[in-house]
Amino acid sequence: DAGVIQSPRHEVTEMGQEVTLRCKPISGHNSLFWYRQTMMRGLELLIYFNNNVPIDDSGMPEDRFSAKMPNASFSTLKIQPSEPRDSAVYFCASSLAQIAGAGSTQYFGPGTRLTVL
Amino acid sequence: KQEVTQIPAALSVPEGENLVLNCSFTDSAIYNLQWFRQDPGKGLTSLLLIQSSQREQTSGRLNASLDKSSGRSTLYIAASQPGDSATYLCAVDVNSKLTFGKGITLSVRP
Repeated sequence: DAGVIQSPRHEVTEMGQEVTLRCKPISGHNSLFWYRQTMMRGLELLIYFNNNVPIDDSGMPEDRFSAKMPNASFSTLKIQPSEPRDSAVYFCASSLAQIAGAGSTQYFGPGTRLTVL
Repeated sequence: KQEVTQIPAALSVPEGENLVLNCSFTDSAIYNLQWFRQDPGKGLTSLLLIQSSQREQTSGRLNASLDKSSGRSTLYIAASQPGDSATYLCAVDVNSKLTFGKGITLSVRP
């Protein structure tokens, strides 16, 4: 299996622009997670989906952030408009957890390093 | 709110040493605890997962223990090697939501 795939790997954009990050989870995994990693705050969960349904988005920082999972093999995280403080590494992860709340090993993608100028 | 602490933030040891990495958490109502490894510029690799009902898990030279009542976990690395140099993060799972510590950056000197 190719593992969790994220694109792009690096993104540099200017403040105010729209940014879309993409994730393909491991085939057969039922849960998908978006995380953000910064030096100051470490790794933080933004949102997670189970069976394509958003279960908990309490970590999404504000309305500028949105996430979708239109099918079991694809998810997007969108920032509109982007701001310099959004600069971070964004990770996508997936797990086999078949029901919401069931803990299972999470497998992480390589991340997208976002720089907002 | 769950808080996860890993101290120290960095550790440097000579090759061959056995070492223990510590992790503490404030709320014992967890589903499981996971240890991850992160290499510079890379994603996280899961090392061990301990269910809340378990006391320890082993994989090769790694052994992780969990004491839920005291809010502590340790990752034991036997006979450390330069290839073990990385950042090690622990995370507690509550309803599939992982809360991470800041990690311990380990450097194993040849």
